Amino acid sequence: DVKVTQSSRYLVKRTGEKVFLECVQDMDHENMFWYRQDPGLGLRLIYFSYDVKMKEKGDIPEGYSVSREKKERFSLILESASTNQTSMYLCASKGPGQGGNGYTFGSGTRLTVV
Amino acid sequence: QKEVEQNSGPLSVPEGAIASLNCTYSDRGSQSFFWYRQYSGKSPELIMFIYSNGDKEDGRFTAQLNKASQYVSLLIRDSQPSDSATYLCAVTQGGYNKLIFGAGTRLAVHP
Repeated sequence: DVKVTQSSRYLVKRTGEKVFLECVQDMDHENMFWYRQDPGLGLRLIYFSYDVKMKEKGDIPEGYSVSREKKERFSLILESASTNQTSMYLCASKGPGQGGNGYTFGSGTRLTVV
Repeated sequence: QKEVEQNSGPLSVPEGAIASLNCTYSDRGSQSFFWYRQYSGKSPELIMFIYSNGDKEDGRFTAQLNKASQYVSLLIRDSQPSDSATYLCAVTQGGYNKLIFGAGTRLAVHP
């Protein structure tokens, strides 16, 4: 089975800190995604990457950046954390197959910015 | 208008009944449609996907797609308390097949 691992389950950071959320997949997938999930809003796409060093903005990229230096690792960066970035962050990896047939999610990182 | 719309619920059904979950989407170019189940505090897990108009059955689950009406639904037969969760509808969009999610419908199956 594909495994998508997010480095932290829970994080508490202070306003203004630079925050790194790490995601690693073990199946050589080309496509990786970062979502945030908030009550009543569902999952919203922040950024995605379709290859090493390639990235595309999703629906809510403001305040975030990403890095994909290696195929297996996709990092989400909060340059200067703010309280409105308190959320559940979910990483996903997509393998061969149409659409979400190949989507696998990590277990999520619940980030609290104080 | 949201791209993917779902009734937030909660949808409450008795054990053994059929639960019907509905979803509409706005992008006529969407090609693939998915239902994910998410238990509280857990990440989403894929339970059904459908690409063609009509019905697709898998055990107690049936996905229905009507592209002309831009409508996709999920039926859960013989609902069990363990089916109590939030069900997320997702559709593909764009050349990279990124997934766009609805806000989810909370299902509660009571004994």
